[in-house]
Amino acid sequence: SAVISQKPSRDICQRGTSLTIQCQVDSQVTMMFWYRQQPGQSLTLIATANQGSEATYESGFVIDKFPISRPNLTFSTLTVSNMSPEDSSIYLCSVVTSGYYEQYFGPGTRLTVT
Amino acid sequence: GQNIDQPTEMTATEGAIVQINCTYQTSGFNGLFWYQQHAGEAPTFLSYNVLDGLEEKGRFSSFLSRSKGYSYLLLKELQMKDSASYLCAVRDGSGAGSYQLTFGKGTKLSVIP
Repeated sequence: SAVISQKPSRDICQRGTSLTIQCQVDSQVTMMFWYRQQPGQSLTLIATANQGSEATYESGFVIDKFPISRPNLTFSTLTVSNMSPEDSSIYLCSVVTSGYYEQYFGPGTRLTVT
Repeated sequence: GQNIDQPTEMTATEGAIVQINCTYQTSGFNGLFWYQQHAGEAPTFLSYNVLDGLEEKGRFSSFLSRSKGYSYLLLKELQMKDSASYLCAVRDGSGAGSYQLTFGKGTKLSVIP
């Protein structure tokens, strides 16, 4: 398995500001993803964080709104830009370990935008 | 498109057995996952099935039939702490670049005394 940490664990932000969420894994992983879970909903994939290149975004998510970095095999950041109340959600980092079989989630970042 | 269905809610009695079903229709298939999620917490990995059949892991078992697009999660000897949402997810890509998951809406299980 992999131990995943996220910072911050929660934050309350003003409309129009930006927040960067960090994801750190205790070992090198092959794949890293960012998911969103809106209140009472299931998880939706935002993007795949690619090491050394631009992230791959899912339909409905764009780089200008959710810029992602992945400088190495154990770390990634997701920025939520120009926030609005609709961005209030839990943001989760997820990793696939070397066997490509199991996929794990970080503890999540609970974001509230006022 | 992708479509993953599971019941919204279930209730079961402590000590009993409960089966949570999941049906899926996806453009591809590269494995089915079950996760447990307690309220306010991140999903916890329970099981992964890529071949037909039953995978047993302690009190939890997961079954897959690829031809029927069907899976179930079986929980035995239910405990109060098993009260949580159970998420079915399909990895519908193939190849090294397609490991993202598509999730169902989750089944909220309530275990009662």
